[in-house]
Amino acid sequence: DTAVSQTPKYLVTQMGNDKSIKCEQNLGHDTMYWYKQDSKKFLKIMFSYNNKELIINETVPNRFSPKSPDKAHLNLHINSLELGDSAVYFCASSLGTGGGETQYFGPGTRLLVL
Amino acid sequence: AQKVTQAQTEISVVEKEDVTLDCVYETRDTTYYLFWYKQPPSGELVFLIRRNSFDEQNEISGRYSWNFQKSTSSFNFTITASQVVDSAVYFCALSKAAGNKLTFGGGTRVLVKP
Repeated sequence: DTAVSQTPKYLVTQMGNDKSIKCEQNLGHDTMYWYKQDSKKFLKIMFSYNNKELIINETVPNRFSPKSPDKAHLNLHINSLELGDSAVYFCASSLGTGGGETQYFGPGTRLLVL
Repeated sequence: AQKVTQAQTEISVVEKEDVTLDCVYETRDTTYYLFWYKQPPSGELVFLIRRNSFDEQNEISGRYSWNFQKSTSSFNFTITASQVVDSAVYFCALSKAAGNKLTFGGGTRVLVKP
């Protein structure tokens, strides 16, 4: 059973399009995250939700909008895609937001904007 | 602000050699958490270890060992008798006591040659 899953695994699209990435976890965790890994492998947090409530919102363009329909799902919608959005997007989850909770990552979604 | 530095961008070794990955962190907090993750060529992020700032005991797990030294703000990782399957990018990360936002280092690529 996959603990944290993401769909799709690969996404190739044109500039200006709108796309969504879905994430689901079956670990029973309360907190979920989106991270972006750029072409140099640098990982940076984008958003975090705890029990469907937004708790971390880094300085991310407002073209990126996360949505958490329930605590097991966290989706990422991206409007008006730009070349610079090409990256690998990782979803993660943790038990809660308490200190140093271990985050478990999904397999990543590789987004390529042409 | 928190910062994690992994000064070694790439390390190449021959199988069965030991390899040590350096991680130096900066934080003003007295309570914090340190992590190591492995990213194999397949791309997923695999959790390896979590350590809190009050536990300076070194840890060994099979061929992996970690050396936490608060005095030098370092949390180094050693792979003993490396194997080809250890080839991956390894990330060190830091988390505050609250909020659970992970700050990652830039990663160290380890290449183990047969």
